[in-house]
Amino acid sequence: QSVLTQPPSVSAAPGQKVTISCSGSSSNIGNNYVSWYQQLPGTAPKLLMYENNKRPSGIPDRFSGSKSGTSATLGITGLQTGDEADYYCGTWDSSLSGPVFGGGTKLTVL
Amino acid sequence: QVQLQESGPGLVKPSQTLSLTCTVSGYSISSGSYYWSWIRQPAGKGLELIGRLYTSGSTNYNPSLQSRVIISVDMSRNQFSLTLSSVTAADTAVYYCARMTTVVTHYFDYWGQGALVTVSS
Repeated sequence: QSVLTQPPSVSAAPGQKVTISCSGSSSNIGNNYVSWYQQLPGTAPKLLMYENNKRPSGIPDRFSGSKSGTSATLGITGLQTGDEADYYCGTWDSSLSGPVFGGGTKLTVL
Repeated sequence: QVQLQESGPGLVKPSQTLSLTCTVSGYSISSGSYYWSWIRQPAGKGLELIGRLYTSGSTNYNPSLQSRVIISVDMSRNQFSLTLSSVTAADTAVYYCARMTTVVTHYFDYWGQGALVTVSS
């Protein structure tokens, strides 16, 4: 059971937009920055978003992040088949004094 | 460019000890400013934090694994290591080493490619 809650799966057609939610509490998302990771099949996770809405170098602006209260959202526009992956949210949990992840969301581009 | 690379046996017998090493290039562990972490992922499942180490040598472990885990550092080789004792089939997973920022933001910016460890007799 993960500390952060994500939907197990989402899907959308190529070219469309999709959002992935990440729900937590005041001890984690509510008072800490959120990061997102993309894990393509058979590869290691890769940092996709940090400090809620900042993209590392090389990440296209089709990817966006936001946070409100104790929830965060990853948005992907102009979906491509290459975006099919598992997406994980992460943050710091002040009560646990450590980082925590969501259970992951599998994105299918139909 | 910072790179991390896991190495170690891919097969460990039940009740024995799993040992992995993460070699860091492009950044000196002794420089501080980051946590050096181990994360694992059983097949088809999510990410599980194992623990982390700071340059000072201080460590923090997942409470569910704490009695069996040791993370240590060899600054002369720019490596940090994971030791997990008394393994069972439930410890079969891909093990990743990763660097985590320490100040306020707490995200994992660099990851190793992962090392599959199978626990089986």
